[in-house]
Amino acid sequence: EVQLVESGGTLVEPGRSLRLSCAASGFNFDDYAMHWVRQSPGKGLEWVSGISWNGDSIDYGDSVKGRFIISRDSAKNSLYLQMNSLRVEDTALYFCAKDRAKVTTSWIDFWGQGTRVTVSS
Amino acid sequence: IQMTQSPSSLSASVGDTVTITCRASQTVTYYLNWYQHKQGKAPNLLIYATSSLQFGVPSRFSGSGSDTDFTLTISGLQPEDFATYYCQQSYRTPLTFGGGTKVEI
Repeated sequence: EVQLVESGGTLVEPGRSLRLSCAASGFNFDDYAMHWVRQSPGKGLEWVSGISWNGDSIDYGDSVKGRFIISRDSAKNSLYLQMNSLRVEDTALYFCAKDRAKVTTSWIDFWGQGTRVTVSS
Repeated sequence: IQMTQSPSSLSASVGDTVTITCRASQTVTYYLNWYQHKQGKAPNLLIYATSSLQFGVPSRFSGSGSDTDFTLTISGLQPEDFATYYCQQSYRTPLTFGGGTKVEI
């Protein structure tokens, strides 16, 4: 059974950093691209970042480019999101998601339950 | 690529046929996917590549379209279908979602 379990979300002050983690199980992690997608309160889904199966191809949404860094660790079957220079507008439920292919331009076929990040002073 | 969904919300009854449209600002060929999202739960893939039904999704869900104009149809709405639906293009990064369509009773 595919499982994606996010962690690391918390209340953090503007300007600070935070790292989210996603533990993957039930599939061969090395064979698939992975994504982070967020939902701000009262808003729709927003793609944050994606990483290819081997980490060679990485891309970001415009609102987080230059501040967030996505990475993956095949030894730990884990996906990460390093969030720097956090802003109030980064407040959201962050979902870890699995692609159906090795590249990020296929489709997301499985999502985690999300971890909540609140940026506030 | 901007994705525009309509309507943003709709009211329907059990048994109704519901149609949601999605328009892309430029061609996405057939790289158009549909997700169902219920508050507090993980989103769920319904349709991928415009018209392919994800395994385990009921056949009352169907998708059609090409290039810039796409449609999700729910034929015979069921109580468990009341949720928010999103289209998403995966033609090129950054991936983008439509604004969502909330289907209410």
